[in-house]
Amino acid sequence: QKEVEQDPGPLSVPEGAIVSLNCTYSNSAFQYFMWYRQYSRKGPELLMYTYSSGNKEDGRFTAQVDKSSKYISLFIRDSQPSDSATYLCAMILYGNKLVFGAGTILRVKS
Amino acid sequence: ETGVTQSPTHLIKTRGQQVTLRCSSQSGHNTVSWYQQALGQGPQFIFQYYREEENGRGNFPPRFSGLQFPNYSSELNVNALELDDSALYLCASSPDRTGPSGANVLTFGAGSRLTVL
Repeated sequence: QKEVEQDPGPLSVPEGAIVSLNCTYSNSAFQYFMWYRQYSRKGPELLMYTYSSGNKEDGRFTAQVDKSSKYISLFIRDSQPSDSATYLCAMILYGNKLVFGAGTILRVKS
Repeated sequence: ETGVTQSPTHLIKTRGQQVTLRCSSQSGHNTVSWYQQALGQGPQFIFQYYREEENGRGNFPPRFSGLQFPNYSSELNVNALELDDSALYLCASSPDRTGPSGANVLTFGAGSRLTVL
């Protein structure tokens, strides 16, 4: 069993839709949770960074962490074609070592 | 302020050869981490360097080795290349060696895409 599970998609939605991306994890020792966006032929770019259970909002993006269920989510409101990318969840076990999910490919159609 | 730069951007090698990938960390960052991202997968941690010493290693064989230089730039060396080594190699820098609080300023480069034939 992988430490972090993420549905690879692809997930295809119309412009303006609300997108929900999710990851589950097995190790309760994970404390910090991140969402990265990766465009084709680019490195990952940090979108959201959360520590505790609950919600964190930044513009059109909301990150949600439920430590009791070992489940994290990223919501994108009013999705745009420019949001089309691969979204990676990541978690920290110790230091700066990140453990990533496999990534979900998102396609927003105009 | 410059970001993380990696070179080369693309390269092709044959099985058994050796490769060196280079990374210049972001200004003010003293820690460099390397990740391997196979096609369709998330990045996997290879190792981290801090003050020219290895500071943590993932599940990669010894033929993956690295260096960090006094200016905090870094190299990743892979010997005896195998077909499965074909991947995007990502370098990330951060201003802090320890503590997950550094992760929120972890900056990735665009990567070096290695193809092994």
